[in-house]
Amino acid sequence: GAGVSQSPSNKVTEKGKDVELRCDPISGHTALYWYRQSLGQGLEFLIYFQGNSAPDKSGLPSDRFSAERTGGSVSTLTIQRTQQEDSAVYLCASSLVFTAKNIQYFGAGTRLSVL
Amino acid sequence: QQQVKQSPQSLIVQKGGISIINCAYENTAFDYFPWYQQFPGKGPALLIAIRPDVSEKKEGRFTISFNKSAKQFSLHIMDSQPGDSATYFCAAHNTDKLIFGTGTRLQVFP
Repeated sequence: GAGVSQSPSNKVTEKGKDVELRCDPISGHTALYWYRQSLGQGLEFLIYFQGNSAPDKSGLPSDRFSAERTGGSVSTLTIQRTQQEDSAVYLCASSLVFTAKNIQYFGAGTRLSVL
Repeated sequence: QQQVKQSPQSLIVQKGGISIINCAYENTAFDYFPWYQQFPGKGPALLIAIRPDVSEKKEGRFTISFNKSAKQFSLHIMDSQPGDSATYFCAAHNTDKLIFGTGTRLQVFP
């Protein structure tokens, strides 16, 4: 059984460019979560999916951030017109059922650097 | 209200010693408190968790102590080992999300 897979593992982009970050959850996991981890900071909750639906998008930092999930599986986090403050590690997690009490399994993250 | 305050930011312990990491919260609606362990280059992994109706939970060398009246909880690592060197995050569950502390970087020296 493969774990949560994120790609790319590292992404360097120029300010103003758009980026797409991909998350492949564990097969059969219905819930999927995105977090942002900045240097010296904790894990900042961004958004979660229950199936393909995202009931709560209030954690997204700005309207430049969006996410989608298709087929109840793969999710993509898109950041438009990237800014230097977007530089961070973006982590994805999945769990078998939707409740934050359920064990969340994390991927290794995508390290985004905006120059 | 939604914050979880974690201390210390970093901790250095000698092998065999006890590592203690503390967290505090304000929101009494939090109903589940997990601890996650993160090694460099990896995502966090669940270590141990506790519900607020329990004052202590022990799993091997790892113990959570929970003080509901003080709204504080802590992780104790007994007989700390170099392999325990990692970043530890406390978290609290509310409604539909986990709120994480800022993390503690633990270094255990032989």
